Amino acid sequence: DTAVSQTPKYLVTQMGNDKSIKCEQNLGHDTMYWYKQDSKKFLKIMFSYNNKELIINETVPNRFSPKSPDKAHLNLHINSLELGDSAVYFCASRLAGGPDTQYFGPGTRLTVL
Amino acid sequence: QQQVKQSPQSLIVQKGGIPIINCAYENTAFDYFPWYQQFPGKGPALLIAIRPDVSEKKEGRFTISFNKSAKQFSLHIMDSQPGDSATYFCAASMQTGGGADGLTFGKGTHLIIQP
Repeated sequence: DTAVSQTPKYLVTQMGNDKSIKCEQNLGHDTMYWYKQDSKKFLKIMFSYNNKELIINETVPNRFSPKSPDKAHLNLHINSLELGDSAVYFCASRLAGGPDTQYFGPGTRLTVL
Repeated sequence: QQQVKQSPQSLIVQKGGIPIINCAYENTAFDYFPWYQQFPGKGPALLIAIRPDVSEKKEGRFTISFNKSAKQFSLHIMDSQPGDSATYFCAASMQTGGGADGLTFGKGTHLIIQP
């Protein structure tokens, strides 16, 4: 019973394609995040979302869009993929107003050819 | 602008030694400072965290030292073991805002504990 799960674990695709990464948490959390980890292992926040508000890091291209069908899911859609999008993407969640711990998923390694 | 600076980038310590990883932050609005441990192919996992109202926190072999006036904090690993070999990230956030801005991470330290 994984707390935060992501699918797929690996994603290889061609430039210009549109792809999605799914994230689900079974912790009852109400705030979810997407982070990008580049080839140098630097982790950077992309989005945070609760049921009221989406906060977007200003450096994230608008080709990236999070979509939340319900409180347990925050999927990441990427349009017109570029070589520079290759990275590991992590979903995370926490309970707003609760313990401060963010729980991370196992990551999705995206490779754009 | 990098808001959390972490050093060293890599560190090799003999088993039983005490690796020390340092971080400095710029934003005085940060009020939550966690350390995350990441093994290859895995997501980061919380190791220990501290708030600025205390100067030190210990959990098992892991200790955070915090210096609010210097805007610095560090992680010490006592009696280090080969299983501690991983990448360690310091981070900071503004939890009083509900954590909506997420975590700002340092660039990570690749730690190797030699047997």
